[in-house]
Amino acid sequence: GAGVSQSPSNKVTEKGKDVELRCDPISGHTALYWYRQSLGQGLEFLIYFQGNSAPDKSGLPSDRFSAERTGGSVSTLTIQRTQQEDSAVYLCASSPRASGVNTGELFFGEGSRLTVL
Amino acid sequence: AQRVTQPEKLLSVFKGAPVELKCNYSYSGSPELFWYVQYSRQRLQLLLRHISRESIKGFTADLNKGETSFHLKKPFAQEEDSAMYYCALKNDYKLSFGAGTTVTVRA
Repeated sequence: GAGVSQSPSNKVTEKGKDVELRCDPISGHTALYWYRQSLGQGLEFLIYFQGNSAPDKSGLPSDRFSAERTGGSVSTLTIQRTQQEDSAVYLCASSPRASGVNTGELFFGEGSRLTVL
Repeated sequence: AQRVTQPEKLLSVFKGAPVELKCNYSYSGSPELFWYVQYSRQRLQLLLRHISRESIKGFTADLNKGETSFHLKKPFAQEEDSAMYYCALKNDYKLSFGAGTTVTVRA
């Protein structure tokens, strides 16, 4: 595809349910990020994957959040036992590496809007 | 710890007027800074980076290490500049974003 693809674009769920959000990065991009965009909060870093290295999970807000990246490509962000404060837009981004360095240019998907009732 | 501050949540200017979006940062090393933009119903995308010292869509941003600032400027705002703007600081492989400034350019 031409860009980062995320699904679903919108998800409404009830408090306490689990949700899975999917990200398909740009082909050839080895770095993949998840961010959370909340009104007035800016973009909050959640997790970073780079190739086969151990992911940086330092931004995950609680142990209800987890993410995996299979085969160095598609990633899934899972939120268990959702709470109302989890309502936000979840953005995925991928990035190439130039000469082994992350350039700082992230290519974002359109996001998954999660609403927890 | 690294931090990016955008003090203005909302900025409203008239078409043709100058616009300046403020960004301040805290970082112990040599910073790499970026401006990202999100137009209505579009994806968040890179606008410019300080390393390139470029002007994109009439916007420029100068890194001022003394004031730890990276303000975004445009001398004559256009209606199509209405968008959400985020300042970002690169720390190794991560980008830390500010809270964003929503710019509205009125005719």
